[in-house]
Amino acid sequence: KNEVEQSPQNLTAQEGEFITINCSYSVGISALHWLQQHPGGGIVSLFMLSSGKKKHGRLIATINIQEKHSSLHITASHPRDSAVYFCAVRAGNEKLTFGTGTRLTIIP
Amino acid sequence: NAGVTQTPKFQVLKTGQSMTLQCAQDMNHEYMSWYRQDPGMGLRLIHYSVGAGITDQGEVPNGYNVSRSTTEDFPLRLLSAAPSQTSVYFCASSSWGTGGDEQFFGPGTRLTVL
Repeated sequence: KNEVEQSPQNLTAQEGEFITINCSYSVGISALHWLQQHPGGGIVSLFMLSSGKKKHGRLIATINIQEKHSSLHITASHPRDSAVYFCAVRAGNEKLTFGTGTRLTIIP
Repeated sequence: NAGVTQTPKFQVLKTGQSMTLQCAQDMNHEYMSWYRQDPGMGLRLIHYSVGAGITDQGEVPNGYNVSRSTTEDFPLRLLSAAPSQTSVYFCASSSWGTGGDEQFFGPGTRLTVL
């Protein structure tokens, strides 16, 4: 079993829909990251969380340390949000472990 | 700041050839790492470094060597390339260990081994 599991693997939605991507992990962590990769593009850091909730524009990230679970929400989704979204955890041992990603497609 | 730079962008090798993928950052980050990205497998850590002179293995280190002689540079060496090393390679840096942890990634190197 991977240390970091993401769901769903693929998600297709209509423009304007509210999007939720989930991340579960099996170890104690010091931080959880959400990152975005556009098709053929580089990887960009969206959030780093150790507790609670963070918001940036239409993106919201939450984490529940007790349940070992984090969610990334996108409000009023737009075709430019189409990308692969990764969560990654740092378990305090210097290494960052990635989930396998969620491919999001927003249809106009 | 240029951020994290990687060269080359594309490379084709024959089995058994050696090469070095270059990575440099100008943000004075102590933490640098190399990942490979394969379809359906996310990013897997190859090697990482928490500062000049210090390196350690990640999840998939076999077939790769690294060194960290300066804070800025973290080259990845393939000593004898194999088709299984065909992948996209990303270098990343962060200020982890000195109060922050935002990840900065290079643009990637697409490597094909024939």
